[in-house]
Amino acid sequence: DVKVTQSSRYLVKRTGEKVFLECVQDMDHENMFWYRQDPGLGLRLIYFSYDVKMKEKGDIPEGYSVSREKKERFSLILESASTNQTSMYLCASTSGQGKMSNQPQHFGDGTRLSIL
Amino acid sequence: GDSVTQMEGPVTLSEEAFLTINCTYTATGYPSLFWYVQYPGEGLQLLLKATKADDKGSNKGFEATYRKETTSFHLEKGSVQVSDSAVYFCARGSQGNLIFGKGTKLSVKP
Repeated sequence: DVKVTQSSRYLVKRTGEKVFLECVQDMDHENMFWYRQDPGLGLRLIYFSYDVKMKEKGDIPEGYSVSREKKERFSLILESASTNQTSMYLCASTSGQGKMSNQPQHFGDGTRLSIL
Repeated sequence: GDSVTQMEGPVTLSEEAFLTINCTYTATGYPSLFWYVQYPGEGLQLLLKATKADDKGSNKGFEATYRKETTSFHLEKGSVQVSDSAVYFCARGSQGNLIFGKGTKLSVKP
């Protein structure tokens, strides 16, 4: 089975801190994704990556950046955390050929991030 | 742009009741369609999928049929259990990504 591991289940940080959320997958997937999930809004895509060192903005990239130095690891960075970034963050991966991929995504268990 | 619309919840049913959660999608191209389930405190798990018109995806007693003529992918189960209580998300493929509906919370009472 595919395993997508997010480094923390719960995280509490302060306004203005730089926050790193880590995600690792063990199936050599090319594509990786970061979403945030908020009540009434469903899942919204922040950033995604089709290959090492490649990244593309999703629907809500403002206030975030990402890093993909190795194929198995995709990091989400909150440059200067704000209270409106309190949310559940979900990482996902999938096999396939970049924008031609039509494969299901495999999700981690999520990180519930609180910004105080 | 591409979008997915699913019925708003919450949906509350008694055990052994019939379940339908409606989902419609925008018809751009020929996307794959998916249903995901999220149990409390967990990430999303793939429940079932269909990759072309008239395909039926099925898993754990749940079914959904890819209806191109009505651009729908409704989720059904003939007899729900308490353990089916979760949030269900419909999704369509879109240029290597997925577009999700907003989710439908299902509560099943004994």
